[in-house]
Amino acid sequence: SQELEQSPQSLIVQEGKNLTINCTSSKTLYGLYWYKQKYGEGLIFLMMLQKGGEEKSHEKITAKLDEKKQQSSLHITASQPSHAGIYLCGADIRNTGNQFYFGTGTSLTVIP
Amino acid sequence: AAGVIQSPRHLIKEKRETATLKCYPIPRHDTVYWYQQGPGQDPQFLISFYEKMQSDKGSIPDRFSAQQFSDYHSELNMSSLELGDSALYFCASSSYKSTRNGYTFGSGTRLTVV
Repeated sequence: SQELEQSPQSLIVQEGKNLTINCTSSKTLYGLYWYKQKYGEGLIFLMMLQKGGEEKSHEKITAKLDEKKQQSSLHITASQPSHAGIYLCGADIRNTGNQFYFGTGTSLTVIP
Repeated sequence: AAGVIQSPRHLIKEKRETATLKCYPIPRHDTVYWYQQGPGQDPQFLISFYEKMQSDKGSIPDRFSAQQFSDYHSELNMSSLELGDSALYFCASSSYKSTRNGYTFGSGTRLTVV
């Protein structure tokens, strides 16, 4: 089973539209990370959330960690073609030990 | 369903020794990525391969080398190990033709250098 569930799996939006990607865990998240990846390239760190209710923004991308610290959402406002890529969430889930898990990723296509 | 397999799961080496980590991608995945995660840190991209050729290079030390073989599995070779190399090493795989299926990560190899 997947420790981190991401939804949707893929997303196609028109340029200028808003969109939201979700990352959900059945366990408490200690440190939730959002990354962006273009094919063949390494992960690009976007932001990290640690506290329940925390919200961070970077340019037109906003990420939130819910109060229970089991779900995070990534929201892109007025999407642009440069936002296209695969978005991954990653998290430290301390159940049996320090292990870092990744979500399955969300593929975003922005149509000009 | 088959997942990304990494071996070994745990490895203990002494300083200045050499270690080889292996990654077996999901069948029909042609791209492999390597990441290093130090204690309390987020993963750092090391290197990636597509169709046995290096496609991108990150913060991989010169003491490390990697390659992808004809069966698409990849090996990360680490020489002259240092204490600071102790970390969790992740491998991920994906398919160039099916990037919408996302990436699949292995469970990692925990390397301890003593």
